Amino acid sequence: KNQVEQSPQSLIILEGKNCTLQCNYTVSPFSNLRWYKQDTGRGPVSLTIMTFSENTKSNGRYTATLDADTKQSSLHITASQLSDSASYICVVSATNAGKSTFGDGTTLTVKP
Amino acid sequence: GAVVSQHPSRVICKSGTSVKIECRSLDFQATTMFWYRQFPKQSLMLMATSNEGSKATYEQGVEKDKFLINHASLTLSTLTVTSAHPEDSSFYICSARPPLGLAGQETQYFGPGTRLLVL
Repeated sequence: KNQVEQSPQSLIILEGKNCTLQCNYTVSPFSNLRWYKQDTGRGPVSLTIMTFSENTKSNGRYTATLDADTKQSSLHITASQLSDSASYICVVSATNAGKSTFGDGTTLTVKP
Repeated sequence: GAVVSQHPSRVICKSGTSVKIECRSLDFQATTMFWYRQFPKQSLMLMATSNEGSKATYEQGVEKDKFLINHASLTLSTLTVTSAHPEDSSFYICSARPPLGLAGQETQYFGPGTRLLVL
């Protein structure tokens, strides 16, 4: 059964600090892994997309890593800002699959 | 980047009425669209997968006669909540899957969501 597990479930950090969110998956055969940011009351917005051959991808202060061997990904946020407060969702797609597998998300709160 | 819109952004209706939510891909054609609902502080729950020109595929536990989905064109899918009740109050989000050539990889672009409140 395809599964995506994210940790931690929630995280509180101070503004300016860095943090790392984790995503473990068992989706097979693997196609790609995507990280989304969802602000409260809004739809998810894509941050990064990584395929099997990509180990890291950056989008501004967001850097995603992928280890396809261990089936783990991380999202690192540098110099956090108050606007980074949101839910971060890891989504994994399998080849020849009609739908993707979603993680439950990590809720990040950045405090001043 | 690819844009997906939803209309309306929020709607309040009386119990027993029907509500239609539109999802449009503005700058690309989407053969597949997805409908999700999300309760406060919970994760997205896939309701159904909508393919243009064919019947939607509903997830287990989702009533197809209650949540009518129509995907009449490559840029428009609609979700109609029929005979809405207060327990249908939720945040409904659609997403559209662009052709592989556009995104380079299979992905989804999400709409901004529709907040439904049934009184």
